[in-house]
Amino acid sequence: GNSVTQMEGPVTLSEEAFLTINCTYTATGYPSLFWYVQYPGEGLQLLLKATKADDKGSNKGFEATYRKETTSFHLEKGSVQVSDSAVYFCALRSGPGSARQLTFGSGTQLTVLP
Amino acid sequence: GAVVSQHPSWVICKSGTSVKIECRSLDFQATTMFWYRQFPKQSLMLMATSNEGSKATYEQGVEKDKFLINHASLTLSTLTVTSAHPEDSSFYICSARAGTEAFFGQGTRLTVV
Repeated sequence: GNSVTQMEGPVTLSEEAFLTINCTYTATGYPSLFWYVQYPGEGLQLLLKATKADDKGSNKGFEATYRKETTSFHLEKGSVQVSDSAVYFCALRSGPGSARQLTFGSGTQLTVLP
Repeated sequence: GAVVSQHPSWVICKSGTSVKIECRSLDFQATTMFWYRQFPKQSLMLMATSNEGSKATYEQGVEKDKFLINHASLTLSTLTVTSAHPEDSSFYICSARAGTEAFFGQGTRLTVV
């Protein structure tokens, strides 16, 4: 079955530090890959996505590249801000049909200190 | 992007009572919605897939009679936690698909006392 393994947190960084959150996956076929962000007390918001190998998703300074050879989709940001403090989820979607569901990683809590 | 509205944002109820959570797609029609449960510091666990006009599909280990799902229209799905107990306290999140993308409600924090 499908699974997502995500770097365990919590992660604490100083403002302007470089961020990497590792994510690897197991899936049948060719999944689409996602990063979602959850701010305190809120639902999930799509941060970025990639639908095929070597695609790079990017948004708000965050980037992740779909690496089929290493089955990875690591999230990176060159310079984090306090406002980036949130929980980040890696996810994949794979399988037939229009109601394909998302499989999530365990989430990584990021705290950015001023 | 598409908007999914979930209500209430939080609710406190007594043990033994039932609680209904609504999930609405505000600007699109959703034939399929998903209900997730999130435990503290853990990932989202899919509870069930809600299909408009038909019975929901529950994941293994989720009690159908306890978590009643009704998807009566293309814009509304409801989750009713029946005879709630403290162990049902959790964060419940719904999701709806618009095209190829999933949009999430803001979640409902349920506390059973």
